[in-house]
Amino acid sequence: DTAVSQTPKYLVTQMGNDKSIKCEQNLGHDTMYWYKQDSKKFLKIMFSYNNKELIINETVPNRFSPKSPDKAHLNLHINSLELGDSAVYFCASTPNTGGAETQYFGPGTRLLVL
Amino acid sequence: AQSVAQPEDQVNVAEGNPLTVKCTYSVSGNPYLFWYVQYPNRGLQFLLKYITGDNLVKGSYGFEAEFNKSQTSFHLKKPSALVSDSALYFCAVRPSTGAGSYQLTFGKGTKLSVIP
Repeated sequence: DTAVSQTPKYLVTQMGNDKSIKCEQNLGHDTMYWYKQDSKKFLKIMFSYNNKELIINETVPNRFSPKSPDKAHLNLHINSLELGDSAVYFCASTPNTGGAETQYFGPGTRLLVL
Repeated sequence: AQSVAQPEDQVNVAEGNPLTVKCTYSVSGNPYLFWYVQYPNRGLQFLLKYITGDNLVKGSYGFEAEFNKSQTSFHLKKPSALVSDSALYFCAVRPSTGAGSYQLTFGKGTKLSVIP
């Protein structure tokens, strides 16, 4: 009964490949997020969707494309992977866009680009 | 734009001693403030948050934090540290209204090591 789940947990791939990371939440939340945590553990927001609609789109290369087929799922597709994309990617969710809401994080996807 | 500063990369404390992890913030208007903890190879877990009201907020695992508006600080504290508290701690801020209110901004994290 994991609240926020991500697949895969680990992803090792070659430069230039295209890969996807999936996120699902069973909390009934309307809002979902993607964060990137770099090797120095710095955590930065990438995207946010509210009820399948994009509401945050930070300065991220357009090789990264989020997709929300329904409000329980937010996937991240990455084209033409680069060495600098190696990081841990976290999905999170909140009940709505309200600022006081607690974010619930998934376990992370550790991406290594060789 | 909002920002969070965690001035210490690492805090070492002996087991049983009180601990403090510092956080200061910058935001337009009133802040919502959060502390999260990350154990190795895990996602972030919520500890506590300040929204409004009492400046002293109590959270999970015996942690508490004090909101100080004049000093724009939200330091995390625990009266008696446990070895199991060793982890990476993140402070985060979000403005209650206006630009940036959709976005939670994190500090760079403070690694807490509790020494047996």
